[in-house]
Order: sequence, then structure tokens, then C-alpha cells
Amino acid sequence: EAQVTQNPRYLITVTGKKLTVTCSQNMNHEYMSWYRQDPGLGLRQIYYSMNVEVTDKGDVPEGYKVSRKEKRNFPLILESPSPNQTSLYFCASTSGLGQDTQYFGPGTRLTVL
Amino acid sequence: AQSVTQPDIHITVSEGASLELRCNYSYGATPYLFWYVQSPGQGLQLLLKYFSGDTLVQGIKGFEAEFKRSQSSFNLRKPSVHWSDAAEYFCAVGARSNYQLIWGAGTKLIIKP
Repeated sequence: EAQVTQNPRYLITVTGKKLTVTCSQNMNHEYMSWYRQDPGLGLRQIYYSMNVEVTDKGDVPEGYKVSRKEKRNFPLILESPSPNQTSLYFCASTSGLGQDTQYFGPGTRLTVL
Repeated sequence: AQSVTQPDIHITVSEGASLELRCNYSYGATPYLFWYVQSPGQGLQLLLKYFSGDTLVQGIKGFEAEFKRSQSSFNLRKPSVHWSDAAEYFCAVGARSNYQLIWGAGTKLIIKP
């Protein structure tokens, strides 16, 4: 089954404690991205990757890091989380340019205390 | 500036009634337009998309959308809603030349029994 998986689905942590949210897709997609979703703001792109070792900033990259060492995986790293990073995070992947469907993971709800 | 506006934060309709969700965009290039749905606790799923051709596009779950270039709109419609349609709906716009989408803030659909 074609899918994007994220782990963990829920995470409660404290300010400053480094964390990683994993994302993996089994569709051999080149393009992957991370979004955060906040009420009233819709989805905002954090980072994206157009292929292995190619990453770039989205609209709200501050406080986040990513890496793309393998095509299937695109982890999101919060080196020093802060309460304003409390949000719902989605990973997505697509095979083509703007016209292709994006496939979303189930989301990770992060709370930073 | 490029933007997507969904004017209605919430919409409440009775089960069996018709539905129209509004989406207006501002985009410099020829737009590719999408509607995604997010059911409670789930990731986002593509409902339909428009790239070119017939301006009335059919999607899954009985939804359709009409592209009106003169009004910069891409409104989503359904003739008769079901309780299972209760969800949040997102409009997004992209371009042929890139992977990134610009997202609206979403419209939450509430179904009255």
C-alpha cells in the first residue's frame, strides 16, 4: 500500500530537549516536504527536498532542521524546541512538479511545555 | 502577492443539503488548483485538481469544483452532503514549474442532522 508514515503520532516534550520526527514514504517519490498546521493559518511549509541531499527552506524554517540522506526518509529535527513550535506537523511526498498529487502522512501532534 | 483565501472559517449545513465552499486565489502564473480534505485525526487527502481543459472538474466522494478565471475562484460543491463529509477542507494553488503549494486557511464543515 502506498503510504507516508510519521512517527511518533503524539509527542509531549519540554523546552530545549532535542527531538526528531521521522517521515518515510514507499512510493519512490523525489519530492518531500514538512508542513505545520495551526488553527486559522492553514498549512505552512517548513522545509522541502527535491531529491537526496537537496533541501531548501519553506515559509517557516526557523527552529527546524531536516536531512535527506535516503530517498524514502525525510526526518524533521527540532534542536531546541520552544512552546511556539507546539503544532500539528505533516509530512508529504509527491512524484511530480506542481501538478501532481501530494500524499500526506497522518500527522504528528507536538506539544512543547 | 500570491495567496489563497477561503472566506468561510466554518460552514454549517443540514444533512442532505447542498454545499458550496469558496476559494479565491491570487497567483502570477497559470494556476494549478487543488482541494484537499482533512477528516478528524487524519492527514489530508486529495479531493480533486484542475490543471487545464474543462473548467468543471469532478472529484472523489461526489464533489466537484468549477474554475472561473475571471473571478479567480475555484469553488467546491456537492449537491447533497452526508454526515461523513464533516471535515476541514483546504484549497491550494501551485504552478507547473515548481513543487510548492500555497494553501488557504481551511473551511471547517459541520453537518447538522
